[in-house]
Amino acid sequence: GAVVSQHPSRVICKSGTSVKIECRSLDFQATTMFWYRQFPKQSLMLMATSNEGSKATYEQGVEKDKFLINHASLTLSTLTVTSAHPEDSSFYICSARKGVSTDTQYFGPGTRLTVL
Amino acid sequence: GEDVEQSLFLSVREGDSSVINCTYTDSSSTYLYWYKQEPGAGLQLLTYIFSNMDMKQDQRLTVLLNKKDKHLSLRIADTQTGDSAIYFCAEPRSSASKIIFGSGTRLSIRP
Repeated sequence: GAVVSQHPSRVICKSGTSVKIECRSLDFQATTMFWYRQFPKQSLMLMATSNEGSKATYEQGVEKDKFLINHASLTLSTLTVTSAHPEDSSFYICSARKGVSTDTQYFGPGTRLTVL
Repeated sequence: GEDVEQSLFLSVREGDSSVINCTYTDSSSTYLYWYKQEPGAGLQLLTYIFSNMDMKQDQRLTVLLNKKDKHLSLRIADTQTGDSAIYFCAEPRSSASKIIFGSGTRLSIRP
């Protein structure tokens, strides 16, 4: 199988603080990981593509200084929401791709972020 | 997801068939996906179809692909309460190394 985990599954923080979300591929090496944000009306928005050992590629309109992504190893990528505000409250989902040429992405269970 | 379109909601009676439709734009996609998202969870790859196929059947699931019209559908036979979820159609864009998702169709089952 291809299992992807996320931690934490749910986090509540105060406005102005930073929150780190981890995405791990448990039984495979992921050269590429993706971070998505899911809005209340269910649509998924790709935020950035994270490649191991290099800088993340952000989608248009996503602030790279606000959503810091680090992909330090082949099994771990982190998303840090800096200086969080209530409008950052959302469901964040990561996915991991096994190989360079294959397109199949395996998704984590998501992290519910609530900023008070 | 503006390039992959789906209707947002579908309601069916338990035991009936559900048909979820999707239109996509990139004719060079080598395959297309259907993902399922249960409440409060991540996405699960449900099935996929290669672009050189017209149909793929897997137990209660049937995927139909019309390349000419760029239309993809997912049929769930004998729909059960456990099928309640959001179903996403997705198209890989190899040129951009990413997947484009539709808006998702929320399937609800009524008794």
